[in-house]
Amino acid sequence: QKEVEQDPGPLSVPEGAIVSLNCTYSNSAFQYFMWYRQYSRKGPELLMYTYSSGNKEDGRFTAQVDKSSKYISLFIRDSQPSDSATYLCAMSGQSTGGFKTIFGAGTRLFVKA
Amino acid sequence: DGGITQSPKYLFRKEGQNVTLSCEQNLNHDAMYWYRQDPGQGLRLIYYSQIVNDFQKGDIAEGYSVSREKKESFPLTVTSAQKNPTAFYLCASRHLSGGGLGELFFGEGSRLTVL
Repeated sequence: QKEVEQDPGPLSVPEGAIVSLNCTYSNSAFQYFMWYRQYSRKGPELLMYTYSSGNKEDGRFTAQVDKSSKYISLFIRDSQPSDSATYLCAMSGQSTGGFKTIFGAGTRLFVKA
Repeated sequence: DGGITQSPKYLFRKEGQNVTLSCEQNLNHDAMYWYRQDPGQGLRLIYYSQIVNDFQKGDIAEGYSVSREKKESFPLTVTSAQKNPTAFYLCASRHLSGGGLGELFFGEGSRLTVL
């Protein structure tokens, strides 16, 4: 079983739609939950992060973490063509081997004008 | 501007040849990382270094080698022993004292194609 599971998509939505991206994970030691955004042929950039469980909102983006279910989500409201990118979930924290960050496979999102 | 510079952006190599990818950072970060990205597989850790002259293997180190002679530089060599080297390679760095978040800052990547 992979430590983190993420549907690679692609996901295609019309402009203005609400987008829901999700990941599940297996290691309960993770404390920070992140979403990185990666445009085509570029490196990923941190979009949002959440510490432990709960919600965090930043403009059109909302990140949710449910540690009891080991499930994290990213919601994008009023999606725009400029949101078209690959979104990677990531988790980090201390483990037996030291500090560790793992990434999901990334979901490719296309927002059509 | 502070950041991470990877070069070359695109590289073609014949089978049996070694190739070295450059990674330079001016963020004064302690730790540097090399990831490999393949479609549908996310980022897989190849090697990382937390201090000059020291580095550790990641999950898929076989067929790769690194060095860390300067804090700013962490080159990756893809050797002929790497069975499937065609991929997108990403270099990243972070502060070690940044707390649990450990935000990674990435370069723009190097795409290696073996002909």
